[in-house]
Amino acid sequence: GENVEQHPSTLSVQEGDSAVIKCTYSDSASNYFPWYKQELGKRPQLIIDIRSNVGEKKDQRIAVTLNKTAKHFSLHITETQPEDSAVYFCASGAGGYQKVTFGTGTKLQVIP
Amino acid sequence: GAVVSQHPSWVICKSGTSVKIECRSLDFQATTMFWYRQFPKQSLMLMATSNEGSKATYEQGVEKDKFLINHASLTLSTLTVTSAHPEDSSFYICSVFTGTSGGTRVDTQYFGPGTRLTVL
Repeated sequence: GENVEQHPSTLSVQEGDSAVIKCTYSDSASNYFPWYKQELGKRPQLIIDIRSNVGEKKDQRIAVTLNKTAKHFSLHITETQPEDSAVYFCASGAGGYQKVTFGTGTKLQVIP
Repeated sequence: GAVVSQHPSWVICKSGTSVKIECRSLDFQATTMFWYRQFPKQSLMLMATSNEGSKATYEQGVEKDKFLINHASLTLSTLTVTSAHPEDSSFYICSVFTGTSGGTRVDTQYFGPGTRLTVL
């Protein structure tokens, strides 16, 4: 089955700096790569996703890049704010079945 | 996007009892729902795929006789934790996907608010 590795496990940045979280996956059939933000005790919230037909996608301060050849994808958050502090999960899945496998999570702390 | 609710939001029970958790898709008819479990400070682990009108598909290592799933309608799936034990204490979250196009997934996964189960 699919294996998704995520790093770093924890990340501290100063407010205004950028944060980068990286993930790798194993299943070459995967073509859907969402990123979720989860605050303590709450449900995961989709913040951005990318499909295999594009290499990069951007939404305001958040961007995701995908390298299918190397089987890795990354989340980039620019101009970080304290409210960006949360646990972020990457995930990957293959089209049609709708099943996604989650990475291990990254706890991001933005220091004011 | 889809609105997903869960009930109860939290439950405390004694060891050996059974607990039923409901997952409802409020504005979308879901033939498939997913059940995840999340232990503290860990990632989400898929437990099973709930299929409307048929048997659920369980992930490797998940006991189907312990975690009973019923998907009786297009808007409701239930997860029953039978003979619960303290090690079953966890955050249980359901999810649905909305929409496919020509066999290709072009949809988004929406999660319920989760149910925190504590078994004493």
